[in-house]
Amino acid sequence: SAVISQKPSRDICQRGTSLTIQCQVDSQVTMMFWYRQQPGQSLTLIATANQGSEATYESGFVIDKFPISRPNLTFSTLTVSNMSPEDSSIYLCSVLAGQETQYFGPGTRLLVL
Amino acid sequence: GEDVEQSLFLSVREGDSSVINCTYTDSSSTYLYWYKQEPGAGLQLLTYIFSNMDMKQDQRLTVLLNKKDKHLSLRIADTQTGDSAIYFCAEGGSGTYKYIFGTGTRLKVLA
Repeated sequence: SAVISQKPSRDICQRGTSLTIQCQVDSQVTMMFWYRQQPGQSLTLIATANQGSEATYESGFVIDKFPISRPNLTFSTLTVSNMSPEDSSIYLCSVLAGQETQYFGPGTRLLVL
Repeated sequence: GEDVEQSLFLSVREGDSSVINCTYTDSSSTYLYWYKQEPGAGLQLLTYIFSNMDMKQDQRLTVLLNKKDKHLSLRIADTQTGDSAIYFCAEGGSGTYKYIFGTGTRLKVLA
């Protein structure tokens, strides 16, 4: 397994601003993922973040809106840019550890006013 | 397209068994997973089953897999109030490491 922390745990932001979410894992991992969970919904994969290469985005998500950094094997950031109220969600990072098993961070709860 | 479906709500009395069901569509999935999300928390991996297995038991949890019908279930024996949460099934491992999550089942345990 892996222990994952996220910062901030929650935030309230004004529309038009940007927020950077940090994800830290206690061991080196190759693959990290960023998900969005809209209120009352399931999880939707935003992108896969691999160290040393650009993130791979899923359909409906673009780098300009959700830039991702992956500077090393234990850390990643997701920025939510030019926020609108529709971006209010829980944002979760996860890592692939063991045999094709993902472990999740506690999530960042974002409210955009 | 890919769709993983679950019933939205389940209510049981403390001490009874809970059965949460999931249907999936990707027959090439290698693993199927169950996650638990408590209020205000992230997702906790409960258990997973390899696609060539029919059943897996882990303490109070029993996972049943019917590949023919693409049906997965999670049985929680002796359900406790601490089991109240949202339970997500997920399919994955079909070579891409991506998961497809179900819609989630909100389990409420009545004392």
